[in-house]
Amino acid sequence: DAGITQSPRHKVTETGTPVTLRCHQTENHRYMYWYRQDPGHGLRLIHYSYGVKDTDKGEVSDGYSVSRSKTEDFLLTLESATSSQTSVYFCAISDVNSGNTIYFGEGSWLTVV
Amino acid sequence: EDQVTQSPEALRLQEGESSSLNCSYTVSGLRGLFWYRQDPGKGPEFLFTLYSAGEEKEKERLKATLTKKESFLHITAPKPEDSATYLCAVPRAGENSGTYKYIFGTGTRLKVLA
Repeated sequence: DAGITQSPRHKVTETGTPVTLRCHQTENHRYMYWYRQDPGHGLRLIHYSYGVKDTDKGEVSDGYSVSRSKTEDFLLTLESATSSQTSVYFCAISDVNSGNTIYFGEGSWLTVV
Repeated sequence: EDQVTQSPEALRLQEGESSSLNCSYTVSGLRGLFWYRQDPGKGPEFLFTLYSAGEEKEKERLKATLTKKESFLHITAPKPEDSATYLCAVPRAGENSGTYKYIFGTGTRLKVLA
């Protein structure tokens, strides 16, 4: 158990509305990630963070923003949700102390209608 | 371009029928190859890390091996509870020093029939 909690776990929202997903970790890991998982594409990196207020883009960052104001929280925001953002979103953490192994949360299922 | 490819996409085995899953990769400067198991509706669960060619790791009926271009996940005498999607990943250096982006394959869906 890597001490990762995602919220909400399930959400249905309307096109054009903003949505924020929260990732909370309890073990002070430096690196945090947001991935989305879709059939045929596997896990794709959206954004990642390497410290408080230090973030960088992944391969599918368009339409998403992130913030990390505290070590334990990494927020993913869809500024204006679209149907193409219907997906399962996974938060993950890694740390040099764990050999850079990446550990995942349980996922957040988002449906945009 | 850094890439991870897994094969086959899906595999059906009878209980006790051993087989192997493949993960081939192209990345400059391998910093580890990671194997995960993912059950439906769950997040990926870490299985193994391999760092250098020739390295092997074992866990119950699973054994992972690594060469310079690919990794294999060997499943010996599988049971129905081994049914899951198996993912592999490699880290690629990020734009900021000391950071890594993990590239995942699309996985192999394994079904073991009783």
